[in-house]
Amino acid sequence: AQSVTQPDIHITVSEGASLELRCNYSYGATPYLFWYVQSPGQGLQLLLKYFSGDTLVQGIKGFEAEFKRSQSSFNLRKPSVHWSDAAEYFCAVARFGGGSTLGRLYFGRGTQLTVWP
Amino acid sequence: GAGVSQSPSNKVTEKGKDVELRCDPISGHTALYWYRQSLGQGLEFLIYFQGNSAPDKSGLPSDRFSAERTGGSVSTLTIQRTQQEDSAVYLCASSSERGMMGQYFGPGTRLTVT
Repeated sequence: AQSVTQPDIHITVSEGASLELRCNYSYGATPYLFWYVQSPGQGLQLLLKYFSGDTLVQGIKGFEAEFKRSQSSFNLRKPSVHWSDAAEYFCAVARFGGGSTLGRLYFGRGTQLTVWP
Repeated sequence: GAGVSQSPSNKVTEKGKDVELRCDPISGHTALYWYRQSLGQGLEFLIYFQGNSAPDKSGLPSDRFSAERTGGSVSTLTIQRTQQEDSAVYLCASSSERGMMGQYFGPGTRLTVT
């Protein structure tokens, strides 16, 4: 069965500091991996995705993530955090559903990011 | 609009009443998903529609929950005889046929059952 673990429930960083949010997945085949961000009262916004190819993927808002198959990880990183990055971050994995289409997402429990000025 | 829209944004209902939540996907997206987000359970999958295929209903928590998608576009999630544990934010997402660009989420409907 598919599962996603985000070990850190809450992370606090200072503005300008670097950030790494951890994500580990359990999946028996090639994973399709995503990071989403959710600001208070908002829906989920897609930051980046990994399907295949280069294991370092770039996303929006200066975020990147690295897929490491040997560690079953897909950690999200940002070199310098801005106060506006404070939000909740969700890692997700998908599998193909019927008809060679991506099916449902399996989400981690999320990591709440607080940014100190 | 260009994004997924959901209505209403907030819904307060009394226990035992039925509610309908609506989702308008991105134009041209053939796949539509419903998820539920609550403090205790995180993000849970409910149901998934893809084109003319039979929907994947494996995430619906009980037979009080149902959903339909009319004309391959708008979807309605119906909860009958609401219970307090149904209180949550209901999120809709859509994607292109193969989903290779990811799923795009609407702002959600916050349901409160009193």
